[in-house]
Amino acid sequence: EVQLVESGGGLVQPGGSLKLSCVASGFTLSHHYMDWARQAPGKGLEWVGRSRNKANSHVSEYEYAASVEGRFTISRDDSQNLFYLHMNSLKTEDTALYYCVRALSSSGWYYFESWGQGTLVTVSS
Amino acid sequence: DVRLTQSPSTVSASVGDRVTITCRASETISGCLAWHQQKPGKAPKLLIYAASNLASGVPLRFSGSGSGSQYTLTISSLQPDDFATYYCQQYNSYPPTFGGGTKVEIK
Repeated sequence: EVQLVESGGGLVQPGGSLKLSCVASGFTLSHHYMDWARQAPGKGLEWVGRSRNKANSHVSEYEYAASVEGRFTISRDDSQNLFYLHMNSLKTEDTALYYCVRALSSSGWYYFESWGQGTLVTVSS
Repeated sequence: DVRLTQSPSTVSASVGDRVTITCRASETISGCLAWHQQKPGKAPKLLIYAASNLASGVPLRFSGSGSGSQYTLTISSLQPDDFATYYCQQYNSYPPTFGGGTKVEIK
């Protein structure tokens, strides 16, 4: 069974940093594209960024939403089945529940297939 | 970015009703559309991918259709477990984007 468990959320001041982790189980992380998505309180869903697996890294290994480009960095440790989101220069508008998502391919296009339960990040002074 | 417009934003329905939700994209997305269900306090759950393919374990009362820039999610006979918010999502181009959601509530 695919399981994604996020951790690392919490309260941080504007301008601060936070690192989110996602432990993947039930599948081999190195074989898969992985995404981060978020949901502000009472709002809809927003994609944050993507990590392609190394087999496909002849194209850019990472993609980011414009709203986080230059502030957030995605990384992964395939040997430990861990997926990360490093968040710097946090803004109040980054307050959200952050989800780790596994993406699967359908004819070469990648859709969001499994979601973690989320970890809450609150940016406030 | 591709904008996805869902309608209606809220639908009030009874158990047994047929419910249809529409998702209109600002440009053609070539069938690269997924539908996710989210219950209060829970993570989203994939229902449909590639416009019409049912995800594993999803009941057959859910179906998806459409092409080009217009897509629909249909629940053939609404069950108590189906009261939730539904989001469409396109993955044809970066960034992946979501519709604003349709809340299915009890009439």
